[in-house]
Amino acid sequence: GAGVSQTPSNKVTEKGKYVELRCDPISGHTALYWYRQSLGQGPEFLIYFQGTGAADDSGLPNDRFFAVRPEGSVSTLKIQRTERGDSAVYLCASSLVSGAEQYFGPGTRLTVT
Amino acid sequence: DQQVKQNSPSLSVQEGRISILNCDYTNSMFDYFLWYKKYPAEGPTFLISISSIKDKNEDGRFTVFLNKSAKHLSLHIVPSQPGDSAVYFCAASVEGSNYKLTFGKGTLLTVNP
Repeated sequence: GAGVSQTPSNKVTEKGKYVELRCDPISGHTALYWYRQSLGQGPEFLIYFQGTGAADDSGLPNDRFFAVRPEGSVSTLKIQRTERGDSAVYLCASSLVSGAEQYFGPGTRLTVT
Repeated sequence: DQQVKQNSPSLSVQEGRISILNCDYTNSMFDYFLWYKKYPAEGPTFLISISSIKDKNEDGRFTVFLNKSAKHLSLHIVPSQPGDSAVYFCAASVEGSNYKLTFGKGTLLTVNP
């Protein structure tokens, strides 16, 4: 079956602009996660959804970052007033239930110029 | 402060020999550990895991060893194959928050034919 998909695969934006990154989880997976991987680092947890609700958003770096999952499937990570330090690969993962094996998408590479 | 440390950025081994990847952690609350493998332009894929109640878990060519007193785990791959060449991430989680994975920086394994 289809894995986790993320669009776009690459996004270049100017400092100060708004961006949206989309994640399509594996069908039937109730849990969805966003991670950020900066250059030379491992993935860093941002937020976790159980169904439609954000169960833990403790990893979001500041209030410029926001994520939604309105119907409990597709999720969008939104970044306002982008900064050069936001440049990273944003990874989405999903799992059948919370705590189960996480399946990762290929990521969106965000570059802020 | 890195709670999960992979101190070797890279490792090169000969095909057929053993690969040993190491990981140290500082948070004594971690009780579940995972290894992920990542190819370029792909998301990490789950490889093997171990609970803190065990000291060894084996799956085919892959074995993970956990030394809780030393806060150290290792992944053994034997025999190593060229297709094993990838970045390997060690990750850990805490019971009750097992959806939130804390990753190390990764080790690039190169298996030479």
